[in-house]
Amino acid sequence: DGGITQSPKYLFRKEGQNVTLSCEQNLNHDAMYWYRQDPGQGLRLIYYSQIVNDFQKGDIAEGYSVSREKKESFPLTVTSAQKNPTAFYLCASSMGVGPNQPQHFGDGTRLSIL
Amino acid sequence: GENVEQHPSTLSVQEGDSAVIKCTYSDSASNYFPWYKQELGKGPQLIIDIRSNVGEKKDQRIAVTLNKTAKHFSLHITETQPEDSAVYFCAASLYSGNTPLVFGKGTRLSVIA
Repeated sequence: DGGITQSPKYLFRKEGQNVTLSCEQNLNHDAMYWYRQDPGQGLRLIYYSQIVNDFQKGDIAEGYSVSREKKESFPLTVTSAQKNPTAFYLCASSMGVGPNQPQHFGDGTRLSIL
Repeated sequence: GENVEQHPSTLSVQEGDSAVIKCTYSDSASNYFPWYKQELGKGPQLIIDIRSNVGEKKDQRIAVTLNKTAKHFSLHITETQPEDSAVYFCAASLYSGNTPLVFGKGTRLSVIA
């Protein structure tokens, strides 16, 4: 089945550590996205990538980094510079970026600070 | 940039009643308006979308209406069932071609049996 796989489902981080969240898609989509979800805040865009080896900052990129070395993969690193990393992180993909491009979401990774 | 406001933030209805969720957007250039449903512990799933050249679209018990003049669009769910209970998000997309969707903050719908 085609889809988006996020791993792990739950992740714990110690203070001062970097952690990397995995996102893999087999939909042959060009565009991929990372969102952060907090209660009452909706979906806030962290980074997005329209094509391999290219990505753009979203609304809340500070304290995060990404890479897009392969079309299928878009890992997100939550760095120690992110002071409030506890949240639900969602990865999505679409055929392209822009109008009329439905996004398909993974089932998320919940990150907590120990 | 685009801003999407969604109301209400929570909504409770009796099973069998209708539910309406409303969104407004700020940029008149937006031309694509999807709605997503998110169940507990899952990622959002697209349930219906509408483009600016259409005023209304239906899919069984779900319908979306768009008023471009007033810059608002609404999700209508008729004959609600307990499995409709979830968080619903609206979104809007600019016509510029390289701008991602902008999401509303979500509505938590509870259908009471």
